[in-house]
Amino acid sequence: KQEVTQIPAALSVPEGENLVLNCSFTDSAIYNLQWFRQDPGKGLTSLLLIQSSQREQTSGRLNASLDKSSGRSTLYIAASQPGDSATYLCAPPNAGNMLTFGGGTRLMVKP
Amino acid sequence: EADIYQTPRYLVIGTGKKITLECSQTMGHDKMYWYQQDPGMELHLIHYSYGVNSTEKGDLSSESTVSRIRTEHFPLTLESARPSHTSQYLCASSETEIYNEQFFGPGTRLTVL
Repeated sequence: KQEVTQIPAALSVPEGENLVLNCSFTDSAIYNLQWFRQDPGKGLTSLLLIQSSQREQTSGRLNASLDKSSGRSTLYIAASQPGDSATYLCAPPNAGNMLTFGGGTRLMVKP
Repeated sequence: EADIYQTPRYLVIGTGKKITLECSQTMGHDKMYWYQQDPGMELHLIHYSYGVNSTEKGDLSSESTVSRIRTEHFPLTLESARPSHTSQYLCASSETEIYNEQFFGPGTRLTVL
């Protein structure tokens, strides 16, 4: 069974800092891994999809890396802004190729 | 930009009522999913579908049922709502290939009094 752990569970930083959000998962036999953002009471917005053959993927100020062998993925957020405040979710698939979610990292960026 | 829609966005209803949560997507995706998320908690898969006439139960047991008569439409039904069904319900879709990216709708927040 795929289990996902995200560290830290919560993070509060001043605007402008570069951030590192960590994700670890137990079943490394994955085809891809997806990072999402969720605003309070809203749906999920897909941020990045990393395929197993890739080591990293970039979109604007976001960069996600994947190390399948160690069961880890990291999301880097450069020059954080108050609008980045949200919960960030890492979702690798399980053996049935269904996404598995951890508890997320709740990010607050203060002006 | 993903085109997946859910209605209603918010629903407050009394115990015992039958409700249907609507989900539709215009991307032609074969796979569709329903997740349940209690406030501040993790998402759990409750139903999924590989295509028309295909429905499967997810990891979390749910009293709800789903149907998939058309590719674009994946409604979820509760025959008799109870307060324990109060939660947020999120619908998603993806293409069939294993490198599939899932796209989510805005969610329906259900409150059963």
